[in-house]
Amino acid sequence: SSELTQDPAVSVALGQTVRITCQGVSLRSYYASWYQQKPGQAPVLVIYGKNNRPSGIPDRFSGSISGNTASLTITGAQAEDEADYYCNSRDSSGNHVFGTGTKVTVL
Amino acid sequence: QVQLHESGPGLVKPSETLSLTCAVSGYSISSGYYWGWIRQPPGKGLEWIGSIHHSGSTYYNPSLNSRVIISVDTSKKQFSLNLNSVTAADTAVYFCARHQIGVAGVNWFDPWGQGTLVIVSS
Repeated sequence: SSELTQDPAVSVALGQTVRITCQGVSLRSYYASWYQQKPGQAPVLVIYGKNNRPSGIPDRFSGSISGNTASLTITGAQAEDEADYYCNSRDSSGNHVFGTGTKVTVL
Repeated sequence: QVQLHESGPGLVKPSETLSLTCAVSGYSISSGYYWGWIRQPPGKGLEWIGSIHHSGSTYYNPSLNSRVIISVDTSKKQFSLNLNSVTAADTAVYFCARHQIGVAGVNWFDPWGQGTLVIVSS
C-alpha cells in the first residue's frame, strides 16, 4: 500500500480552480512531483520541487506544500485537464513511491 | 529532445522471466541521472520498480527486490529490466523514464516512454 494518500476523485467546473492533495509523513522531508495521465497515455511531469514547471506545462498548474500535505492546484481548469493525477516522492525508508491517484473531472 | 522507447515480449508465461529494454535517444545515459522502470496494472495506479545510474548503482522497490535486476548498457544507449518468477499479478503496462534523484529532496521522472503492455498468462 502507498504511503502517499490522495483523494480518489474530484470534480471542477470549467474555468474554476481545483486543488489535488497528497498526504504523507515523508513529505516533511522530500518534495513531491506531480504527473498527469490521460487514458492510454504515459504520465507527464507537471510539477516538481518546491513549485517548478517543466517546459511546455501551462502556468495554470502550480504546486505547494504545507506540513505533510503537498498540493497541486489547477487555476482556471480547462477541458484538456481532465485526467488522472499522481504525486510521487519518497517514503519513510527513502524508497520511491507514487500516490494512490486522483481522477479529475472537468464539468 | 530526450526520448525513451520500451521493447520486449508482450506475453510471458507464469514462473518465467519478464525482460524489457528501454532505448534512450537524444541524451547520453552516461551524462547523468538515474534511469527507472515503473509499472501500472490495468485500471490501477503507478508502482516504481527500480532505477539505475550509468555507474551501475541501483535502487529497487523492496516489495520486488528479490525478483528484479536492472542493468545498463551505455554503449547501446539502453537499460533493461528483468523480473523473474512472474505471476498474473505482474501483468501491467511497463514504463521506463529518466529519473532525477536529487539533493534537497527533489525527485522526478521525466520524460517517460510510451509504455508496453506485458501479460502474464499460460
